[in-house]
Amino acid sequence: GNSVTQMEGPVTLSEEAFLTINCTYTATGYPSLFWYVQYPGEGLQLLLKATKADDKGSNKGFEATYRKETTSFHLEKGSVQVSDSAVYFCALYSGSGSARQLTFGSGTQLTVLP
Amino acid sequence: KAGVTQTPRYLIKTRGQQVTLSCSPISGHRSVSWYQQTPGQGLQFLFEYFSETQRNKGNFPGRFSGRQFSNSRSEMNVSTLELGDSALYLCASSLTGDGYGYTFGSGTRLTVV
Repeated sequence: GNSVTQMEGPVTLSEEAFLTINCTYTATGYPSLFWYVQYPGEGLQLLLKATKADDKGSNKGFEATYRKETTSFHLEKGSVQVSDSAVYFCALYSGSGSARQLTFGSGTQLTVLP
Repeated sequence: KAGVTQTPRYLIKTRGQQVTLSCSPISGHRSVSWYQQTPGQGLQFLFEYFSETQRNKGNFPGRFSGRQFSNSRSEMNVSTLELGDSALYLCASSLTGDGYGYTFGSGTRLTVV
């Protein structure tokens, strides 16, 4: 079945530091890949997505590139802010049969210190 | 436009009781999916409804059920509650349920005592 493995947390960075959160996946076919963010007490918000190999998703300074050869979708940001503190989830969607669902990684807690 | 609305936000129930959670999707969205979030298991897929039909189901016991109404609002029901059912229950709506545009609600925090 499909699965997503993401970098264990928690991750603590100073403001303006560079962020990388690793994500790799296992899936049949050609899944779509997503990063979601969850702030305390809230639901998930879509941060960015990529639907095919070599696509780059970007939003709010965050980027991730769909790498089929390494089955990866690592999240990066050049300069994090305190307001980026949240839990980040990597997810995939493979829309056929019983795989018609979002499969999530375990989440990575990010704390950015001023 | 209004987002996905889940009610209630918080709920405390006793073991053995049953509970019903509600999800109102974004207007025009026909797909509603439900997820359970716990610290130990993370985010797990419960089921998806599309145009009042259950289209997909995760690996949860039969105590977990759901339905969708003609206006696309969805409810999920958990019967004979167990302590392990304590979780944040999230619903997500989508225009077609193809994975490209899921919008999540803020969730219902269920505590079973």
